[in-house]
Amino acid sequence: SQQGEEDPQALSIQEGENATMNCSYKTSINNLQWYRQNSGRGLVHLILIRSNEREKHSGRLRVTLDTSKKSSSLLITASRAADTASYFCATSGAGSYQLTFGKGTKLSVIP
Amino acid sequence: NAGVTQTPKFQVLKTGQSMTLQCAQDMNHEYMSWYRQDPGMGLRLIHYSVGAGITDQGEVPNGYNVSRSTTEDFPLRLLSAAPSQTSVYFCASSYLQGYEQYFGPGTRLTVT
Repeated sequence: SQQGEEDPQALSIQEGENATMNCSYKTSINNLQWYRQNSGRGLVHLILIRSNEREKHSGRLRVTLDTSKKSSSLLITASRAADTASYFCATSGAGSYQLTFGKGTKLSVIP
Repeated sequence: NAGVTQTPKFQVLKTGQSMTLQCAQDMNHEYMSWYRQDPGMGLRLIHYSVGAGITDQGEVPNGYNVSRSTTEDFPLRLLSAAPSQTSVYFCASSYLQGYEQYFGPGTRLTVT
């Protein structure tokens, strides 16, 4: 089954810096989504970008999608300690619509 | 709205025991799903349902059963627990399959 693969696996930055996480996938998608998971909690949906969109913004989040390279990136600007969490990309397959999750990037924001 | 609720939060089972993990949502979502999360493995889909009376298998269905008699509830049954089923289980729902999913808080299951 297709699966998003996040890169890097772990990222540590200082508060106020920007954090960039990448996601690569293998087959055609309907949309790509990013989720956040705080330690010991359920996942929270952050943003959805459709296959015909190239960029999307939500507050301090910016997501890009390059379907020719089968990749996406999530940028968190001006990071805060509260952004410390694991971030997952999930792809919705074209035709099947099932969501397939990657293994996540663990972000640590140091105050 | 309570969103997606799961019970119990924690459970310890002995090998061979059976149990049901409960999941309910109050958002009138048609699509519901169960995932398991293991360290280094991300989330893997166990079973899903696109509406009451309709269920289907995901990536890792063996050892689990589901049913969907109402829109609100989607219980997951472990038939005969095995140590390999030690994991954190998440239930999720969405208005449509493949779109924004709302997750429950999870059930941490240990099988000894």
